[in-house]
Amino acid sequence: AAGVIQSPRHLIKEKRETATLKCYPIPRHDTVYWYQQGPGQDPQFLISFYEKMQSDKGSIPDRFSAQQFSDYHSELNMSSLELGDSALYFCASSGSGGADTQYFGPGTRLTVL
Amino acid sequence: DQQVKQNSPSLSVQEGRISILNCDYTNSMFDYFLWYKKYPAEGPTFLISISSIKDKNEDGRFTVFLNKSAKHLSLHIVPSQPGDSAVYFCAASSNSGYALNFGKGTSLLVTP
Repeated sequence: AAGVIQSPRHLIKEKRETATLKCYPIPRHDTVYWYQQGPGQDPQFLISFYEKMQSDKGSIPDRFSAQQFSDYHSELNMSSLELGDSALYFCASSGSGGADTQYFGPGTRLTVL
Repeated sequence: DQQVKQNSPSLSVQEGRISILNCDYTNSMFDYFLWYKKYPAEGPTFLISISSIKDKNEDGRFTVFLNKSAKHLSLHIVPSQPGDSAVYFCAASSNSGYALNFGKGTSLLVTP
């Protein structure tokens, strides 16, 4: 079965640079979620989208923005990167407007030097 | 503020025995609970879930129990297998937004 696809899998950036993470949800899933997992931490919810509209917002810094496109893929844009942004970024998708189970992608490991 | 708590960072169980992973939550608005299994360098894999209208859900070797009055849930794995060795995350959500609130995880080691 098709799973959530995230790209790139690994990304290395310098401080103050920008990064774009991409997420391709499971086919026919209409809702996408972004989570950030710092070292030794639990995943923290950042933001979610349903039918291309922001549906919920968590602890996402103002330096980050995200959107969902007409093909349901989503992109997380991160600017003015800081050392503390180094983390695993997971995307999850679900159906039924988010009421169904969330299935996670493999994650993007972002390292900020 | 950690609304989902897994107080045991690690658990070691012998192959064939029962593994019991515990989870507590503080937010009474949570109505949907899930367990995810995670290997290093991979995303969380969905295992089993339970709605607040039930107190038990079973899927093969995995059973989740929910005690709403105690705000406690547990995952039972019977029999445990070495391939079950991973980090297990408890997560909860409410129908007001569906965003998952995770515990800090319990690292399960199943020894032969």
